[in-house]
Amino acid sequence: NAGVTQTPKFQVLKTGQSMTLQCAQDMNHEYMSWYRQDPGMGLRLIHYSVGAGITDQGEVPNGYNVSRSTTEDFPLRLLSAAPSQTSVYFCASSYSILDTQYFGPGTRLTVL
Amino acid sequence: GIQVEQSPPDLILQEGANSTLRCNFSDSVNNLQWFHQNPWGQLINLFYIPSGTKQNGRLSATTVATERYSLLYISSSQTTDSGVYFCAVHQGAQKLVFGQGTRLTINP
Repeated sequence: NAGVTQTPKFQVLKTGQSMTLQCAQDMNHEYMSWYRQDPGMGLRLIHYSVGAGITDQGEVPNGYNVSRSTTEDFPLRLLSAAPSQTSVYFCASSYSILDTQYFGPGTRLTVL
Repeated sequence: GIQVEQSPPDLILQEGANSTLRCNFSDSVNNLQWFHQNPWGQLINLFYIPSGTKQNGRLSATTVATERYSLLYISSSQTTDSGVYFCAVHQGAQKLVFGQGTRLTINP
C-alpha cells in the first residue's frame, strides 16, 4: 500500500493564481480531510469528507474548495491564491473520524 | 468549541533521559490521538487512546478521560525522538481538534 500520497511536494504561486493540491489514498478509507499547518501552530482543519459525494467545512474553509467524486481521491482547490494561504498542507485519511488518522507527506505552498 | 492545551511548549533533553508530555482538554472526548511530527515534517500516529494506558516500546500513553488529560511518556530518549508531538481530540462533530504541540529536542 502506498498509504496517503500528496502532490506536488512544493509549489510557488503568484497572488491570484489557482491550483489544485492532489490527495489520494489506497486504504479504502471513507474519511478524508485537509489541514493547514502554520509556523508555531497546530494543524487546522480546512475541509473534510465522510465518503464519496459528501464534504463539509472545517475550521478555516475560506478560499478553498473540495470535492470527493471517488473514495480514493480528495483534491483541494485554491481558486485565487493569496499570501495568507502560504502554509504546509496535509491530507489525512481514516476509516472514520473515530479511527487512527494517517497523514500524507505534505505540500509546502508559497504564495508571492 | 473544545480547547486542547499541551505542555510544555518546548523541551530540551540529553539522550537517555525520560520525558512526560501533557495534553489537557476542556470537555469530554470520544477519541484522543498522539502524533509525532519528525524534523522532515512527516506526521506519524503514535497512539489512539481515548482512555486507559497503552505502550509501544519506549513510548507509552495514558488518558484519564474523567480528569480530561492525557500523558505521553518517552523513556531512554534517542535523538530520533526529536520533533513535535501533537495530541488531537474528537468530541462530537466529524473533526479532530489539535493542540499546539510540544517541541522535543534530544541532544546527543
